[in-house]
Formats: sequence, C-alpha cells, structure tokens
Amino acid sequence: QVQLQESGPGLVKPSQTLSLTCTVSGGSISSGDYYWSWIRQHPGKGLEWIGYIYFSGFYNPSLKSRVSISVDKSKNQFSLKLTSVTAADTAVYYCATDYGGYSRVDNWGQGTLVTVSS
Amino acid sequence: QSALPQPASVSGSPGQSITISCTGTSSDVGGYNYVSWYQHHPGKAPKLMIYEVNNRPSGVSNRFSGSKSGNTASLTISGLQTEDEGDYYCSSYTSSSGAPVVFGGGTKLTVL
Repeated sequence: QVQLQESGPGLVKPSQTLSLTCTVSGGSISSGDYYWSWIRQHPGKGLEWIGYIYFSGFYNPSLKSRVSISVDKSKNQFSLKLTSVTAADTAVYYCATDYGGYSRVDNWGQGTLVTVSS
Repeated sequence: QSALPQPASVSGSPGQSITISCTGTSSDVGGYNYVSWYQHHPGKAPKLMIYEVNNRPSGVSNRFSGSKSGNTASLTISGLQTEDEGDYYCSSYTSSSGAPVVFGGGTKLTVL
C-alpha cells in the first residue's frame, strides 16, 4: 500500500509561491499505475481537484496559469507549486494517487493546512 | 470547473438505509463508468469507498454500494452505523472543462 506524506510551509505570504512536497513510501513513483495528484479543501468547503501528473501535468482550468506539478524520481517525491497566492488559496492540501487517472483516488496523505496571510 | 451537485445533507437512524445522489452530465457521470465515492471524517484523510460506479476496494464494508442511472450516480449505505457519520463526496472523470477529474460538492451524513 502506497503511503503519502505532505510537507512544506504552513504559512505563505500573499503574492508569494506556495510549495509543497509529497513523499511516497511503500511504492515507486516510477510505477506506471498512478497519476500523482494534488487536491485541496478550503475551510468548511468541499474537495477541489488541483491537478495531477503522469508523463505530463493536467490542471484545474481555474488554477492553470498558476499551478505546476513535478516529479523527483531520485527522491521518490512529487511537488506542487502555486504562484501568486491570495487568501483564497488558504486550504488543507492533500497529495494523493489516482489509479489510472479516471478519478479513482485510492491513496491520500493526511493533508497539510496552508494559510496565506501577511 | 463546477462541482457536481450533491444534497447538502442527509440523515438516518442506525440500521436504516440512505442514498446520496451525485448529478452530472453526459460529459462526466453519464458518459463514463468512472464515478467514485469517498468518506471523509474531519481531520482525517478521505477514504475511497466506491470506484467505477459500483466497485468496492478491499476492506470496504459491503454495506456501501454504488449505482448509476443516466447522469445521476448514487451511493447507498445500508444498515447505518454511527461511525458512518461524516462527509461523502463523489468524483467523476470528465471530458469537459479541460480538467479530467471533478468532485461533487459533498454531502454531510448525520446518523441520528
């Protein structure tokens, strides 16, 4: 069973870049089974799909100009970068695996709260 | 990318059955058998309960079942237990909007 753990700053200033890393254990990020995903939940709101990466990245159109996801095979990690953040980006961010890329999200990290504030 | 509509809340008593709906279009729920359901307890990671409309991952109770009719998918929980209380989300593959995955707005289940 793949296990995932998010890491990164819990506080980011407005206009700066939010950067989070997901460390994968119990499996290889080079496995062809998974689309490596990021999902967030605004306080008191529902889940929002941010994007995933397989050979290339696929992103939520509402975030597309600000978001990128990358993979570091040497560290068995994948990362999220979200630029020009505002208070509206305050959320719990989850890394996850989507088996096959068809919305079968079968492994989740515990989530990490990122607050955007000066 | 708009969330798939779900009822905001449902409730039931222990032992009863409830059904949560997830309404889409022919570009998502209705067009593909790629609907999943998740259980989410606050402060914890969401858990996959159903995938590809009606398949249960290993370890998920057979009290949870999924179905689809037209553009609407449904999650049914039978024999409600207090530990079933929480938030439930659907998700679907979608060919619209430029993003392949869309979540539902979420439904809060209360077990009375």
